[in-house]
Amino acid sequence: AQSVTQPDIHITVSEGASLELRCNYSYGATPYLFWYVQSPGQGLQLLLKYFSGDTLVQGIKGFEAEFKRSQSSFNLRKPSVHWSDAAEYFCAVGVGEYGNKLVFGAGTILRVKS
Amino acid sequence: ETGVTQSPTHLIKTRGQQVTLRCSSQSGHNTVSWYQQALGQGPQFIFQYYREEENGRGNFPPRFSGLQFPNYSSELNVNALELDDSALYLCASSFIAGAYNEQFFGPGTRLTVL
Repeated sequence: AQSVTQPDIHITVSEGASLELRCNYSYGATPYLFWYVQSPGQGLQLLLKYFSGDTLVQGIKGFEAEFKRSQSSFNLRKPSVHWSDAAEYFCAVGVGEYGNKLVFGAGTILRVKS
Repeated sequence: ETGVTQSPTHLIKTRGQQVTLRCSSQSGHNTVSWYQQALGQGPQFIFQYYREEENGRGNFPPRFSGLQFPNYSSELNVNALELDDSALYLCASSFIAGAYNEQFFGPGTRLTVL
C-alpha cells in the first residue's frame, strides 16, 4: 500500500537559517510527489511537484525539493527561512490515473524564531 | 475567477445525526475530491467525483457518500455521525483531461461531533 512518512512532527528554525523537511514514501510505481503548505484557517497550497525528469524541482516561495529514488525520499529545502514560512507542511504521493488521488504524510509543523 | 469555496465553515453535530457539507468547485473544473483531516494528521482521501460519477474511494464506510452536480459543485454526506468523524473536511477541485492538473483546495469545513 502507498504511504508517506514525515519523521519530524515539529521543526524550529531561526529566521534566515536553512530548512530541510524530510519525506519518505512507499509506492510501487514511478511516483507523483507533492509538497503542500497549510496555514491556519486556510486550505492546502501546492508548493511543488515531481513527476519525472530533473530530480531537483523548484517551487513557489523559494522552495525546492530533491527526488532520490534509491532512498525513496523527496525532501523539501529552503536556503533562508522567513517568518512567514511558519505553517504546516505536507508531503504527498499521488496515486491513480495521473496521480490525482493524494496520500498524505502526517505533516511537519514549522516554527520560525526571530 | 473564484477559487474553491466550502460551506459551512464550522458545524457542530451530535452523535447519530446526519450532516451535509458543500463545496463549490473552481470555475471550469470537472473533478472534485474530498479529504478528511483529523487533528494532528494529514488529510485522508475519502472519494473523488468526475463528471458526476464516483471515480475512486478511500477506506471510508458507506455512511460517507457524495454527490456531484451538473455545475460541478459537490456535497459530502455523513450519516450516523460518530465522535471520530470530528475533523476538518477539505474538498479539492481540478480539471481532468488526460493529464495531471493541479488540485485546488478549499479552506475546509470544521465538523465537531459531540
